Amino acid sequence: QSVLTQPPSVSAAPGQRVTISCSGSSSNIGNNYVAWYQQLPGTAPKLLIYDNDKRPSGIPDRFSGSKSGTSATLGITGLQTGDEADYYCGTWDSSLSGWVFGGGTKLTV
Amino acid sequence: QVQLVESGGGVVQPGTSLRLSCVASGSIFSRYAVHWVRQAPGKGLQWVALVSYDGFNKYYADSVKGRFTVSSDTSNKTVALQMHSLRPEDTGVYYCASSRGATTYGFDYWGQGTLVTVSS
Repeated sequence: QSVLTQPPSVSAAPGQRVTISCSGSSSNIGNNYVAWYQQLPGTAPKLLIYDNDKRPSGIPDRFSGSKSGTSATLGITGLQTGDEADYYCGTWDSSLSGWVFGGGTKLTV
Repeated sequence: QVQLVESGGGVVQPGTSLRLSCVASGSIFSRYAVHWVRQAPGKGLQWVALVSYDGFNKYYADSVKGRFTVSSDTSNKTVALQMHSLRPEDTGVYYCASSRGATTYGFDYWGQGTLVTVSS
């Protein structure tokens, strides 16, 4: 059972837009920054979004992040078949004094 | 740029110990901390531990507290994860990852992972 809650799967057609939600509590998302990761099959995770809504260098602006209260959302526009992957949210949990992740969402394009 | 390479994984019996290493190259000094994150077969990501690069600050997941120890050797640019009293549920791919802060920024560089299998 993950501390952060994500939908197990989402799907959309190529070119469409999809959002992935991540729900937590005041001890994690509510008072800390959220990051999002993409994990392609058989590879290490890759940072997509950090500090709620910032993109690392090299991440296209098709990927966006937002946070409101104790929930965060990853948005992906202009979906491509290469976006098929597992997506994870993560944040620091002040009560646990550790990082926590969502259970992951499998995106099918 | 930072490159991270893990090593030390293998097949071990329950109750035994194993030491994982993460060797960094590139601009590691621009990073504040190194984390260990594991992934059981077919499962999601689980954060295990973090150490500040200077070795002074350490945090652990409750599931490994008291059994795992993380350390940093700046002279060799190496972070180690010493694992004791291993259990079958510790099985998985162990990644090291760096971050610019202990509780912020996210994990921006990752190694390729090393597989640990705990089985009798």
